[in-house]
Parts: sequence; structure tokens; C-alpha cells
Amino acid sequence: DAEITQSPRHKITETGRQVTLACHQTWNHNNMFWYRQDLGHGLRLIHYSYGVQDTNKGEVSDGYSVSRSNTEDLPLTLESAASSQTSVYFCASSEGGTKNIQYFGAGTRLSVL
Amino acid sequence: GNSVTQMEGPVTLSEEAFLTINCTYTATGYPSLFWYVQYPGEGLQLLLKATKADDKGSNKGFEATYRKETTSFHLEKGSVQVSDSAVYFCALSDQMNRDDKIIFGKGTRLHILP
Repeated sequence: DAEITQSPRHKITETGRQVTLACHQTWNHNNMFWYRQDLGHGLRLIHYSYGVQDTNKGEVSDGYSVSRSNTEDLPLTLESAASSQTSVYFCASSEGGTKNIQYFGAGTRLSVL
Repeated sequence: GNSVTQMEGPVTLSEEAFLTINCTYTATGYPSLFWYVQYPGEGLQLLLKATKADDKGSNKGFEATYRKETTSFHLEKGSVQVSDSAVYFCALSDQMNRDDKIIFGKGTRLHILP
């Protein structure tokens, strides 16, 4: 069965360190998305990609970057982790168009101390 | 711009009670509407969807009807179970501009008491 996996599931890091969260999907979807989920804010879009070599900023992109070198992966990098980036991060993918249903990974809980 | 507004929670009900979670939307085009559910410790998963006015989406005993005249997509279930305890997100996708982003509401946490 096709799936979308995130790793690690839990991560603790220190302020100022670079952190990369992995997202891998076997749906062969062109679209991939990164969200953060915080109490009171729901899901907020960080970055998204509509295909290889395509990346776009979402509503809360400051301090984050992504790159898309193949269809399956969209890693999220925190260049210099800050305590405000403590959150639960979700990756999602979709086929788009008339079948625009997003499929989510199980999430990565990141704590920045 | 496009937006989704859903009732704030938490909502606490007893088992077998009737459930309604309100959702209204603002969109420039003709959006598709979704309800996603998030169980504890998991990612979101699609619960149901409707792609045009008057469509009814249904799954696992949940229903929602796309009401264009009231720009609403309220989620209902006739008899909730403890296993329905989760966070529910209303969402829309408006591809008028070929944009595949989905706009999510802030979520409504549902607690079902045995």
C-alpha cells in the first residue's frame, strides 16, 4: 500500500542547531506540503511543492527551507532552531486537480530547548 | 481570500448523543469541501468530502451537506461513540486559480463520554 512516512517521530534539539525533518511518500504524488500544528492556531502551511525542483513559501515560512530533488521526498530544514519552532510538524501529499485529497504522515514532534 | 470558520471546542457529549459541528466558508470560486479527522497521536485523514452544491458526503455514520446558499458544510452524526473522540477539521480546496492548497479550519476537539 502507498504511504507517507515522517522521521523522526520525536526530536529534541537545542536552540541554534540545524534540524532536518524527513518526509517520504510512495503515492507518486506531485504535490507535497509541510504544516505545523500548534494549540489555538490549527494547521499552518510552511512550504509546499508542486513537483521536482518546485518549492513555494506558505504562511509561516520564516526560518524554514525545503528542497525537492525527486518526487518521493520533501525534507524540511530548520536553519537555526528557535524555541518558537517547538511544534508538531506534518507532511502531506496529494495528486491535485480533481483528486485534491491530501494524505498526511503521522507527524514529528519537535522540541527546541 | 478563501477561509474556513468552524465552531470552537472542545465539544463534550455523552455516548449515543447527536453531534453537529458547524462550519462555514468563504471562497471566490466553487470549492470542494472536506472534513478531516485527527485521532490522538496521528495525522489527519479524510473523513468525507463534497465537490459541488447540494452534494452530501458521508462516511462512518458522519454526514455533511454542501450548502452554497448558506456557505456551510456542517458535520453531523446521529449517535456518537467513544471512539469518535478526535479533532475534526473542516477544509476547502478552491482550484479556480489551479491552486492545489487546502485551507483548513482551526479544528474542533470532540470528547465523547461513556
